[in-house]
Amino acid sequence: DAGITQSPRYKITETGRQVTLMCHQTWSHSYMFWYRQDLGHGLRLIYYSAAADITDKGEVPDGYVVSRSKTENFPLTLESATRSQTSVYFCASSDPGQGGSYEQYFGPGTRLTVT
Amino acid sequence: EDKVVQSPLSLVVHEGDTVTLNCSYEVTNFRSLLWYKQEKKAPTFLFMLTSSGIEKKSGRLSSILDKKELFSILNITATQTGDSAVYLCAVGGGTSYGKLTFGQGTILTVHP
Repeated sequence: DAGITQSPRYKITETGRQVTLMCHQTWSHSYMFWYRQDLGHGLRLIYYSAAADITDKGEVPDGYVVSRSKTENFPLTLESATRSQTSVYFCASSDPGQGGSYEQYFGPGTRLTVT
Repeated sequence: EDKVVQSPLSLVVHEGDTVTLNCSYEVTNFRSLLWYKQEKKAPTFLFMLTSSGIEKKSGRLSSILDKKELFSILNITATQTGDSAVYLCAVGGGTSYGKLTFGQGTILTVHP
């Protein structure tokens, strides 16, 4: 499917478990982002990537790990899930270089519950 | 640290009313300001503004940027129940070329 997809869409896990959220885009956008959205906080940036093998921390990176071996994929791993990581996670991509737009395109989101 | 503040945080109006949503920002090396609409799903793009004083318009929605006073407004005229959503303001700038900083959002509820 064209666009940006996330999987799973819903996930329930237990405290201490490792969880990986997947993000895939078909536009060959250079930039990819992971956000979490909690009531009262808007969208907070966890990690982002400017290109394959280039990643950087955002506002709330603690407890998360990312990798980007291919341009189209940007998985987010919670190494040892905690209840405070219960949230809705959005992946996004953009292609701002060489006259492109800063507009970010969002995936459908993953609702993660840590029990 | 880059900062984006939206006001009001929530707003309740009746159909037909006109609303104005506010977004103020502090960011180094400003590049762009974007507005998004979020219903019960992913945010969808509304406008991107880069120049002061030039109004962007789409139907009943319009937006303008003031780079001197560091704010933007989003106007919605003749509101409809379908306008009920969270409206997010985001600013691009700082040291990373593609990164956006989002505000907390304004929750708009339009009653029939």
